[in-house]
Amino acid sequence: RKEVEQDPGPFNVPEGATVAFNCTYSNSASQSFFWYRQDCRKEPKLLMSVYSSGNEDGRFTAQLNRASQYISLLIRDSKLSDSATYLCVDGFKLSFGAGTTVTVRA
Amino acid sequence: DARVTQTPRHKVTEMGQEVTMRCQPILGHNTVFWYRQTMMQGLELLAYFRNRAPLDDSGMPKDRFSAEMPDATLATLKIQPSEPRDSAVYFCASGSRVVGQGPQETQYFGPGTRLLVL
Repeated sequence: RKEVEQDPGPFNVPEGATVAFNCTYSNSASQSFFWYRQDCRKEPKLLMSVYSSGNEDGRFTAQLNRASQYISLLIRDSKLSDSATYLCVDGFKLSFGAGTTVTVRA
Repeated sequence: DARVTQTPRHKVTEMGQEVTMRCQPILGHNTVFWYRQTMMQGLELLAYFRNRAPLDDSGMPKDRFSAEMPDATLATLKIQPSEPRDSAVYFCASGSRVVGQGPQETQYFGPGTRLLVL
């Protein structure tokens, strides 16, 4: 079993919609997680960190469910510029998920 | 705007040749990571250093890969001899671990070195 698993998608949503997806992790001792976004042929860029139950930054909300060992990312009022691959990271194990692709259409 | 820099950005070489990739971490960052990304395997951690000391290189093929930090401003990843299966994008990332900040620092990635071994 991989340490971090993500639904690869793609999630195709219209502008303005809300999209949410999860990431599951296997190490119950892990306490820190991150969401990165990666555009095609670019480097990953930090979106947000998740140390406790959750974090919110503008239109983005991350939730951590320790009991079920998953992290979620929710994007509200999605923009065309949100189209990217979103990578979940277990900060303790330094393991990246394979990514979830989101495409926002006009 | 501080950034991680990597050179070269692109490298095409023939099987058996030596490849050296360089990374300049963000000034003041004390942790440097090397990752490899392929379509099949995604992002894989190869090695990382803190305060120039190697902390974990278990993800790196030992027989042909080596990573060093000659000084705080330079990290190198070397492949000798290179093989076609080494073709990938190699990312360097840096971070700064501060006591009390959290269990793991955030990482800032460089633009990557795209390696093609023929």
